[in-house]
Amino acid sequence: KAGVTQTPRYLIKTRGQQVTLSCSPISGHRSVSWYQQTPGQGLQFLFEYFSETQRNKGNFPGRFSGRQFSNSRSEMNVSTLELGDSALYLCASSGQGAAYNEQFFGPGTRLTVL
Amino acid sequence: TQLLEQSPQFLSIQEGENLTVYCNSSSVFSSLQWYRQEPGEGPVLLVTVVTGGEVKKLKRLTFQFGDARKDSSLHITAAQPGDTGLYLCAGPGGSNYKLTFGKGTLLTVNP
Repeated sequence: KAGVTQTPRYLIKTRGQQVTLSCSPISGHRSVSWYQQTPGQGLQFLFEYFSETQRNKGNFPGRFSGRQFSNSRSEMNVSTLELGDSALYLCASSGQGAAYNEQFFGPGTRLTVL
Repeated sequence: TQLLEQSPQFLSIQEGENLTVYCNSSSVFSSLQWYRQEPGEGPVLLVTVVTGGEVKKLKRLTFQFGDARKDSSLHITAAQPGDTGLYLCAGPGGSNYKLTFGKGTLLTVNP
């Protein structure tokens, strides 16, 4: 079974631009979560989608948004980029058989904002 | 918000040594997970503990969930360079669909 894939792996943007990151979950997994990882704050939960519906959202500004498609693939968008948005963005999927919401992570997208 | 505190933040040891890292909270967690993240990769799930006092072993790794379900520890016996990585604990973050992570312990095992 193929793992979670994320594209692109690396991205460099400038302040004020917007960016879209993509995530393909493990086949059969319908839950997709997004996390931001920085050295100072660690992994912070952004949002989680299931069957195209956002079920939970973390404490991030509205510049961060996401969506999920009918094939469970997900995208997240960050608008009006700020220097502080530089981070590793991780996508994780979880199957319906996961009793404790165990997450399977992709390798992440490294975003650098200049 | 339920917080998870991990200690130590950094740990550098020689191959063959034993070590323990900790994950503590003031809140009760229904379950806790441990992940390991290697450079350039996403975290990989190692184990889930769900019962207070539970001990789980994964080769040279021993995981324990505190009796009160507020803390957990990871003990590695005879560490090897391949154990190098960021060890993260995580638990339900107030919702079944959200995980709260500790900031992790960065372990370096020197040959």
